[in-house]
Amino acid sequence: DAGVTQSPTHLIKTRGQQVTLRCSPISGHKSVSWYQQVLGQGPQFIFQYYEKEERGRGNFPDRFSARQFPNYSSELNVNALLLGDSALYLCASSLLENIQYFGAGTRLSVL
Amino acid sequence: KQEVTQIPAALSVPEGENLVLNCSFTDSAIYNLQWFRQDPGKGLTSLLLIQSSQREQTSGRLNASLDKSSGRSTLYIAASQPGDSATYLCAPANDYKLSFGAGTTVTVRA
Repeated sequence: DAGVTQSPTHLIKTRGQQVTLRCSPISGHKSVSWYQQVLGQGPQFIFQYYEKEERGRGNFPDRFSARQFPNYSSELNVNALLLGDSALYLCASSLLENIQYFGAGTRLSVL
Repeated sequence: KQEVTQIPAALSVPEGENLVLNCSFTDSAIYNLQWFRQDPGKGLTSLLLIQSSQREQTSGRLNASLDKSSGRSTLYIAASQPGDSATYLCAPANDYKLSFGAGTTVTVRA
């Protein structure tokens, strides 16, 4: 069975640009969450979506947005990129309040 | 806001030694707690999940305990191997999200 898949694997952008990251959950999972992990720190919660509705949002600016599609895949968008947005972006899927399975992440570098 | 602390930050042991990794959290209103392993530059691999009603969970050489009322969890790894070298993260779950500490980086020397 396919696990959580994220694309792209790596991305290089310049300050002020916009980026879209993609996530496909494990088949049958309706909940998708996004986390940001800065080097040397633990992941920080950004969003959770369940059945295409936003269930929760972490302490991130409005430049960060997300959505979930009818097939439960999800996109994370970040506008007006800053150097501090450079991080590993992780997507997790779950059967709601159960084990969360993470993808390999997207490494974003902002120059 | 949930705060998670993991002690020690780093650990180096000879092969065969047992490992004890500690995690503390400030908000005991959790519905479960997960332990993860992360290899450098990679995603998170789920090791164990303990429901809030459980005290302990075991998988092979791994055993995790949970004391929800005191806000503590411990991960035990028996008979460590060089392949166990990684960063270990604990993540209590509440308010539909996981909260993470900075993790414990383990090095097992052959």
